Amino acid sequence: GENVEQHPSTLSVQEGDSAVIKCTYSDSASNYFPWYKQELGKGPQLIIDIRSNVGEKKDQRIAVTLNKTAKHFSLHITETQPEDSAVYFCAASKDTGFQKLVFGTGTRLLVSP
Amino acid sequence: NAGVTQTPKFRILKIGQSMTLQCTQDMNHNYMYWYRQDPGMGLKLIYYSVGAGITDKGEVPNGYNVSRSTTEDFPLRLELAAPSQTSVYFCASSWGQGYSNQPQHFGDGTRLSIL
Repeated sequence: GENVEQHPSTLSVQEGDSAVIKCTYSDSASNYFPWYKQELGKGPQLIIDIRSNVGEKKDQRIAVTLNKTAKHFSLHITETQPEDSAVYFCAASKDTGFQKLVFGTGTRLLVSP
Repeated sequence: NAGVTQTPKFRILKIGQSMTLQCTQDMNHNYMYWYRQDPGMGLKLIYYSVGAGITDKGEVPNGYNVSRSTTEDFPLRLELAAPSQTSVYFCASSWGQGYSNQPQHFGDGTRLSIL
């Protein structure tokens, strides 16, 4: 089955810096890759997703890149702000019918003012 | 829209007790899911449902049961609670049809401790 590895487990940056979180997946048939942000005491919230027919997707300060050959995808946050502090999860699935997501183990991002 | 609503938010159980975690969604989503999240780990799929009356096992189904009698509700039942079931439980829902799938929406979780 699918296995998703996520690095780093913790990431500390100064406000205004960029942050990059990386994930690798094992199943070459996976073609849907969402990223979720989880704040303390809350459920995960989707922040961006990408499908395998594109290599990059941007939404304001957030971008995701996908390298299907190497089977890895990354989340990029530019101009970080203290409110970006949270736990971020990557996931992978086959986007055919039911979406059975396999999650990474999460990255705790701390943005210091 | 309330989205995905989970109750209770917190619960402490004794070993061997049973309980039902409630989940309801008001987005008319056909797919619903139950996950557990252990400290420092990602979410693991327990059970899922592709529509009313249809459920199937996920990655970690042992010790749990589900039912889906309506589109809106997807309760998770714990029988004979064990300490290994101490976790945070998340319910999610999404809409999908064939190759067209929308992202999953999550509730805020139920924090369950078994002592």
